[in-house]
Amino acid sequence: LAKTTQPISMDSYEGQEVNITCSHNNIATNDYITWYQQFPSQGPRFIIQGYKTKVTNEVASLFIPADRKSSTLSLPRVSLSDTAVYYCLVGEVAGNNRKLIWGLGTSLAVNP
Amino acid sequence: EPEVTQTPSHQVTQMGQEVILRCVPISNHLYFYWYRQILGQKVEFLVSFYNNEISEKSEIFDDQFSVERPDGSNFTLKIRSTKLEDSAMYFCASTRQGASNQPQHFGDGTRLSIL
Repeated sequence: LAKTTQPISMDSYEGQEVNITCSHNNIATNDYITWYQQFPSQGPRFIIQGYKTKVTNEVASLFIPADRKSSTLSLPRVSLSDTAVYYCLVGEVAGNNRKLIWGLGTSLAVNP
Repeated sequence: EPEVTQTPSHQVTQMGQEVILRCVPISNHLYFYWYRQILGQKVEFLVSFYNNEISEKSEIFDDQFSVERPDGSNFTLKIRSTKLEDSAMYFCASTRQGASNQPQHFGDGTRLSIL
């Protein structure tokens, strides 16, 4: 069972780059690392996913070192609307299904 | 972009009553999930469903819970004889394949309030 550890909260300012690091020491060989964003009273939204090295999409970048025991979500030039809870997940594969184990996430506050 | 939709957005029910939460997964998705989130707490896995049967369930998903895919589009969660502690946000999710590299797509949830 691959658990994750993230900072409980972070503060930032508009226009800054935000890096949220997650540790997952017991990640399994076949597991991918996935990050979700959640606004109050909404469902989690998929941000980015990776297996190793670096992944970039239009929203964020994900950096994964060679040992895969941690990962860093990078949000470039955050805005007020990026204030949300960010979850790092490593799914437990059970047969053909993937049961996501959630932590408390990182509550990011972006200030003007 | 296709979305997972859930109805109702808010359900208020008397303790002891039955409630059915409805979800319409993304149309070409094959794997379905229910999660719940008690206010201020973690998102918790309840159950996964594939090929018209439960694939896995958590210890939360006891005999008062059941899931069904009554037709080709809906996926429902039924809670029989609701308790106060069932009050939570319930999220439905779906994924195209069950492999580890397929992200789950979530609906915006149903807020269930038990009185």
